[in-house]
Amino acid sequence: DTAVSQTPKYLVTQMGNDKSIKCEQNLGHDTMYWYKQDSKKFLKIMFSYNNKELIINETVPNRFSPKSPDKAHLNLHINSLELGDSAVYFCASSQDGATGGGKLFFGSGTQLSVL
Amino acid sequence: GESVGLHLPTLSVQEGDNSIINCAYSNSASDYFIWYKQESGKGPQFIIDIRSNMDKRQGQRVTVLLNKTVKHLSLQIAATQPGDSAVYFCAENRGGSQGNLIFGKGTKLSVKP
Repeated sequence: DTAVSQTPKYLVTQMGNDKSIKCEQNLGHDTMYWYKQDSKKFLKIMFSYNNKELIINETVPNRFSPKSPDKAHLNLHINSLELGDSAVYFCASSQDGATGGGKLFFGSGTQLSVL
Repeated sequence: GESVGLHLPTLSVQEGDNSIINCAYSNSASDYFIWYKQESGKGPQFIIDIRSNMDKRQGQRVTVLLNKTVKHLSLQIAATQPGDSAVYFCAENRGGSQGNLIFGKGTKLSVKP
C-alpha cells in the first residue's frame, strides 16, 4: 500500500477553472502538508495541518484552500487557476513529537499545467 | 567532486566513485536536518537525518556531516551507483515538532557508468 497517495498525478486545465487535488496517508501521522515545487525544483511549503487544524499557512493566494476532513486526508482546492499556478504539488505527512521531529513522507506529486 | 546547492547545479561522478553534495543552511536556530533524494517523476524520499547535537551520522553508504559553526551540511555517498542519480535536497527544521522543513535548492547528481 502506498503510504501517501495523491490524485490525480497529472492535471491539465484552462485558466480560470477551479480544481482539487486529493491526498490520503495511511501512516497514522498527525500532520499533513502541501508543498509546491516550481520548474527549478524549488520546494516551498504552502500549508500544514495537525489533526485537522491549520498550523502553517505560508504566503499563498487565498485562491488556494486546504481542507482536512480527517487527519488522514488533506485536499487542496484551487479557485480561478492562473498560469503561474503551474507546478508540481506534493502532499506529505509526518508524525509529531520528539521521535518524529519533522521527517516528512511525500506523495508522488501532482503535475498541474494551466493553459 | 563537490557542489553547492544554489542554482540546481549538477554533480557528475563516475560509477564507483564517492560523491559529496554540499548545502549551506541559513538559520542558526535550526535543530534538525534531513537529506532527501528525488528521482524523476517521484516525490522526495528520506535518506538520512541528523540533529544539531551531532556532527556526523552514518547510514548505509551515506554519511551526513554537520558543521554548525559555518552552517554547513554535506552528504557523502560511497561507491556511487547509477541508481543514485537524482536530485538531492537538504532541509532544515527551524524549530518545533510540526515539521516545518525549509528546503535547499537541490543538487542534481548524475552517475556515469
